[in-house]
Amino acid sequence: QSALTQPASLSGSPGQSITISCSGTTRDDHGYNYVSWYQQRPGQAPQLILYDVNSRPSGVSSRFSGSNSGDTASLTISGLQAEDEADYYCASYTTDNLFFGGGTRLIVL
Amino acid sequence: EVQLVQSGGGLVRPGESVRLSCGASGFTFRNHYMHWVRQSPGKGLEWISFISNSGNQKIYAGSLKGRFTISRDNANNSLFLEITGLRGEDTGVYYCARRLSGPFGLDVWGQGTTVIVS
Repeated sequence: QSALTQPASLSGSPGQSITISCSGTTRDDHGYNYVSWYQQRPGQAPQLILYDVNSRPSGVSSRFSGSNSGDTASLTISGLQAEDEADYYCASYTTDNLFFGGGTRLIVL
Repeated sequence: EVQLVQSGGGLVRPGESVRLSCGASGFTFRNHYMHWVRQSPGKGLEWISFISNSGNQKIYAGSLKGRFTISRDNANNSLFLEITGLRGEDTGVYYCARRLSGPFGLDVWGQGTTVIVS
């Protein structure tokens, strides 16, 4: 497996919903898909926004949701806000490897 | 407050070695697997390695095996990454990160430390 594939950039207007895809995810020997998503604002460390495909850590807005179909995971941000402008990375974990997507720059128009 | 505070890095010459440190506070360090991730200038995230909570298991990215060594000191709540034979392509920001207990996610990140190989 190599780096996961994400669109390089996406844009949306405030209030809209956008979806970022992430293809190439894999499942472990038990068929479980360990997909997580990270938001990174300029000059900052990444922040976990989703894990186990669609679970949100405490404090993360419910506007962030995830799904998975086959080898493609998706992150949906609803009710887009200016503060959502950032880079977004997916990650797929197996027993002895972690792969990140190339990242998607989200621009809020 | 749960946090990871990093130190080390800086400007190093090609071929030299560097040891990065990551100090944990606000949580039970010995209960968590820990990871190192790096980011080259203007590029995406690249996973380097993880170490189990006990330190008995160490896994490295296939493309980076050999020059990177992860270690931890649970008595002093510290994580380390040593890089030998530094190359220009090792230039970037290095992050330590805590793995959630149970599900997979890196939920706490250090502030990052910059390594410049020149």
